[in-house]
Amino acid sequence: AQSVTQPDIHITVSEGASLELRCNYSYGATPYLFWYVQSPGQGLQLLLKYFSGDTLVQGIKGFEAEFKRSQSSFNLRKPSVHWSDAAEYFCAVDLNDYKLSFGAGTTVTVRA
Amino acid sequence: DAGVTQSPTHLIKTRGQQVTLRCSPISGHKSVSWYQQVLGQGPQFIFQYYEKEERGRGNFPDRFSARQFPNYSSELNVNALLLGDSALYLCASSLAPSTDTQYFGPGTRLTVL
Repeated sequence: AQSVTQPDIHITVSEGASLELRCNYSYGATPYLFWYVQSPGQGLQLLLKYFSGDTLVQGIKGFEAEFKRSQSSFNLRKPSVHWSDAAEYFCAVDLNDYKLSFGAGTTVTVRA
Repeated sequence: DAGVTQSPTHLIKTRGQQVTLRCSPISGHKSVSWYQQVLGQGPQFIFQYYEKEERGRGNFPDRFSARQFPNYSSELNVNALLLGDSALYLCASSLAPSTDTQYFGPGTRLTVL
């Protein structure tokens, strides 16, 4: 069975510090990979996606993610967080079927 | 350009009632998917429709149904509401099903009392 794991439920980071959110998936082949962000009471906004090719993917708002096949990981990074980055972040996979499977999410708190 | 729109924004129902949620996809998108997001969890897939045909269904009871109209908008219906149906219901649209990127609407917050 396929699954998406986000090991960190909650991360607190200081404004201006770097951020890394972890995502692991279990699947035999390489899935299509996504990171979405959700602000309180809002829908999901796509940050970036990986389908194939270069394993380092650039997204919006200064985020990037790196696909590592050997580790079945697709971790999200940002070099310097802003207070507006406080939100919930979801990793999702598309296993070449009709649906996205989401992780449980990581809540990011930014302290001044 | 308008994104995915959903109505209503919020809804309060009582147990046993029925509810209809509506979704309008991004112009040109022919595929609509529905997800349920219970508080504190990631979204769970409910349905996907493409060209008015159901393409996929998640692990939800038959109380949940949906349809897609000729203009590609969609409705999600839930009958015999239970307290556990309280959630944020998200609609996503894409040009085509499967590997194409899904863009999400703001959601409808359903509270069942």
